Amino acid sequence: SQTIHQWPATLVQPVGSPLSLECTVEGTSNPNLYWYRQAAGRGLQLLFYSVGIGQISSEVPQNLSASRPQDRQFILSSKKLLLSDSGFYLCAWRSWGTYNEQFFGPGTRLTVL
Amino acid sequence: AQSVTQLGSHVSVSEGALVLLRCNYSSSVPPYLFWYVQYPNQGLQLLLKYTSAATLVKGINGFEAEFKKSETSFHLTKPSAHMSDAAEYFCAVSPSAAGNKLTFGGGTRVLVKP
Repeated sequence: SQTIHQWPATLVQPVGSPLSLECTVEGTSNPNLYWYRQAAGRGLQLLFYSVGIGQISSEVPQNLSASRPQDRQFILSSKKLLLSDSGFYLCAWRSWGTYNEQFFGPGTRLTVL
Repeated sequence: AQSVTQLGSHVSVSEGALVLLRCNYSSSVPPYLFWYVQYPNQGLQLLLKYTSAATLVKGINGFEAEFKKSETSFHLTKPSAHMSDAAEYFCAVSPSAAGNKLTFGGGTRVLVKP
């Protein structure tokens, strides 16, 4: 069966510090991978998605970036965090041959102070 | 482009009462529709999906949803609410099986009163 992992689970970082969040998927090959953010009262916002190694599509211009160095690894990064980057970050995957349902990881709670 | 509207950002129901969460969509093509549930500080979990097979879709935890093309709706129901149903619920639409993205509604938070 497939599983998706995210770490860390929680993170408190000062403004201006760098960020690296990691997501890995097990039990599937060549998945689509997604990064979402939930900010308080703002619903689910798609940040990036990837259809393959090294292929990243950005949905919202911001100071975040994403990379996919391996087939089942997706990384969200920032060089300098802003207060507005606080939120709950969710990674998701979908496999080909399905009806586009996505499966979500447990999330990372990021607080920028 | 497709969009999803969930009526009511908060819904309060009594334990044992009917749960009804409304979702309306707009799509230029026959859509695929999904309901997800999110418990506090957790990721989203797929409740059920509509893929053009049957208009009444049964999901996990006793939930079901009915696709009504004429009303462009996909409302989620559960006959009898349980305390464990307290969570946030999201409706989502995809224009096709090959699409890369889902469009989510704003979510509805359900409070269950004893």
